[in-house]
Amino acid sequence: SQQGEEDPQALSIQEGENATMNCSYKTSINNLQWYRQNSGRGLVHLILIRSNEREKHSGRLRVTLDTSKKSSSLLITASRAADTASYFCATDRYSSNTGFQKLVFGTGTRLLVSP
Amino acid sequence: DTEVTQTPKHLVMGMTNKKSLKCEQHMGHRAMYWYKQKAKKPPELMFVYSYEKLSINESVPSRFSPECPNSSLLNLHLHALQPEDSALYLCASSQQGRTEAFFGQGTRLTVV
Repeated sequence: SQQGEEDPQALSIQEGENATMNCSYKTSINNLQWYRQNSGRGLVHLILIRSNEREKHSGRLRVTLDTSKKSSSLLITASRAADTASYFCATDRYSSNTGFQKLVFGTGTRLLVSP
Repeated sequence: DTEVTQTPKHLVMGMTNKKSLKCEQHMGHRAMYWYKQKAKKPPELMFVYSYEKLSINESVPSRFSPECPNSSLLNLHLHALQPEDSALYLCASSQQGRTEAFFGQGTRLTVV
C-alpha cells in the first residue's frame, strides 16, 4: 500500500502552543499535500509542497519535506481551539492514462487544542 | 463558486433498499471522485471520473454503482448494501493539471 503513516496518531496541547505532526510515505512523489478535517465533515486543502521544495509557509502553517527520508512535517504555530481537527497528509500518484492525480492519504493525526 | 455540494447529509437505509448519493460542483473541474471513510481512518478512493468517463475503479463491489450524467454531477447508486458499508462517503473534484482536491461535506451513511 502507498498509504502514508502519520505520527502522532493523537496530539493534545494548550492554546498558544505549537503543534507538530509528521508524515512518512513509501513511494516517490510529485507533490505532498496536507488536508484538515473537522469532525465527521469534508476535508479542506491546507497547503501543497512540491518535491523540489524543502519548506513552505502559509500563515501559521509551516511544512517541510525531506524526499531523501520520504517524510514531511506540518507545524501549526500559536495554536487555537479552532485548530482542533484531524490532519492528513496526501501524496499523489499521477495517471498518464487519465491525466489526473490519485490522492492517497496518510493515517492522520487527531489534534485537540484546549483553551 | 468553490463548493462541492453533497446530498443528502445523512442517510439510513436497509439492506434491501436502493438509494443514491448526489454530488455537484460548478467550478468547471473535469475530474470527480468518490471516497469512503470509516471512523478514525483516512479516506479511501473508490472511483475516479475524468471528462465524464470512469477512469479508476478501486475494486469496489458492484453494489456501489457510480454515474456521471454531466460534467457537474456525480452520483453513487447504492443497492443491497451491508452494515459494514456504513461510513462517510466523500465526493471531491479537481482541475486538470492541479492536484489540490475540493471536497464536499460528505454523506453519513448507516446501513441497518
